[in-house]
Amino acid sequence: QKEVEQNSGPLSVPEGAIASLNCTYSDRGSQSFFWYRQYSGKSPELIMFIYSNGDKEDGRFTAQLNKASQYVSLLIRDSQPSDSATYLCAVREGSGNTGKLIFGQGTTLQVKP
Amino acid sequence: EAGVVQSPRYKIIEKKQPVAFWCNPISGHNTLYWYLQNLGQGPELLIRYENEEAVDDSQLPKDRFSAERLKGVDSTLKIQPAELGDSAVYLCASSSGSGSPLHFGNGTRLTVT
Repeated sequence: QKEVEQNSGPLSVPEGAIASLNCTYSDRGSQSFFWYRQYSGKSPELIMFIYSNGDKEDGRFTAQLNKASQYVSLLIRDSQPSDSATYLCAVREGSGNTGKLIFGQGTTLQVKP
Repeated sequence: EAGVVQSPRYKIIEKKQPVAFWCNPISGHNTLYWYLQNLGQGPELLIRYENEEAVDDSQLPKDRFSAERLKGVDSTLKIQPAELGDSAVYLCASSSGSGSPLHFGNGTRLTVT
């Protein structure tokens, strides 16, 4: 079973700060990486995906991928209390686009006003 | 666009009883997934369908769990008999293809007493 590792947290940051969420994975062949946000009692919702090494920006969110280090991260700029949630890293198994999605346990983010 | 619809939202049953969950995916989404999520953990894949064919059911405990997707649209997941350890949230997700991002339903929270 391929593994996806996240620090469960909680990660606590003040409002307006940058929150940095990290994820490592074991499958060196993986090519597709996703970040989902899950509010308490709700289902996961996709916020970012990244396929290529480097950075991908979408509004206040930046995903960073380093395949050599098997590391993917999510930066949230100007954190807001509404960003408080659990962030799930998901990695598609294998090098194709049909492998199953393996989720990490999630990192709980708390943004304090 | 209507999202993934699941029912019921909550279910409480006694151990050894049967239970069934229903999922209606986003219209046009050929790929359907059933995930299990325990508290504080990421979702774990139980079964994936491409249209009406189960293409990955390696994680489904087939002694007590069964699933079907008649006509390649709606799906049901059944547990018979339920055990205490089955208490979890059962999430249904769909995508427009195996390599496309997943969209989750609100889930069914099962409590087995």
